[in-house]
Amino acid sequence: DIQMTQSPPSLSASVGDRVTVTCQASRDISHYLNWYQQKPGKAPKLLIHDASILETGVPSRFSGSGSGTYFTFTINSLQPEDIATYYCQRYGNLFSFGPGTKVEIK
Amino acid sequence: QVHLVESGGGVVQPGRSLRLSCTASGFIFSAYAMHWVRQAPGKGLEWVAVVSDGGTNKFYTDSVKGRFTISRDNSKNTLFLHMNSLRAEDTAVYYCASTPNWNYFDFWGQGALVTVSS
Repeated sequence: DIQMTQSPPSLSASVGDRVTVTCQASRDISHYLNWYQQKPGKAPKLLIHDASILETGVPSRFSGSGSGTYFTFTINSLQPEDIATYYCQRYGNLFSFGPGTKVEIK
Repeated sequence: QVHLVESGGGVVQPGRSLRLSCTASGFIFSAYAMHWVRQAPGKGLEWVAVVSDGGTNKFYTDSVKGRFTISRDNSKNTLFLHMNSLRAEDTAVYYCASTPNWNYFDFWGQGALVTVSS
């Protein structure tokens, strides 16, 4: 079974900061990695699929990169509305999510 | 636009059964595979099950195999999750989600809360 880890579990940053979250897979998953944003009490929202493809309508300050076992998710200039928990999700051999990274404003 | 609405959640005793429904609109339901994803209170997301567009192929996470059954009625644009032998650890918000290619979940419902408690 492929395990997904994320770091950090939480972070606090200022508006305008660049924020980076990492996601690691226990085995090579190629580019089979997606990123979601979940705000409190709401359903998750797809931001990036296939490691680096921005979903239609998602602001360009969000980006993703990586392949194999190491992936990064970046918010280029943190905005107040970006307060949420961010999850990576792998596919290929069924599906699983990382444990999430909670992003807060300093 | 795409709309997914879950129903059927509630409080159920351990060992009992419950059926969740997810009614879809705004897209060609019969052309999409569909998933169930759950989230225990205060916890992360857990993928539960997927069914192919035609309903033939079904896959489950290990913890629900043999207890949960995913199915769909394309004539009614509805997805189901039949949950048997429920346990306390099945307590969660259950989301249905669509997938255009089995790879990612592009649209989600608002979720249905299932509480397993005596």
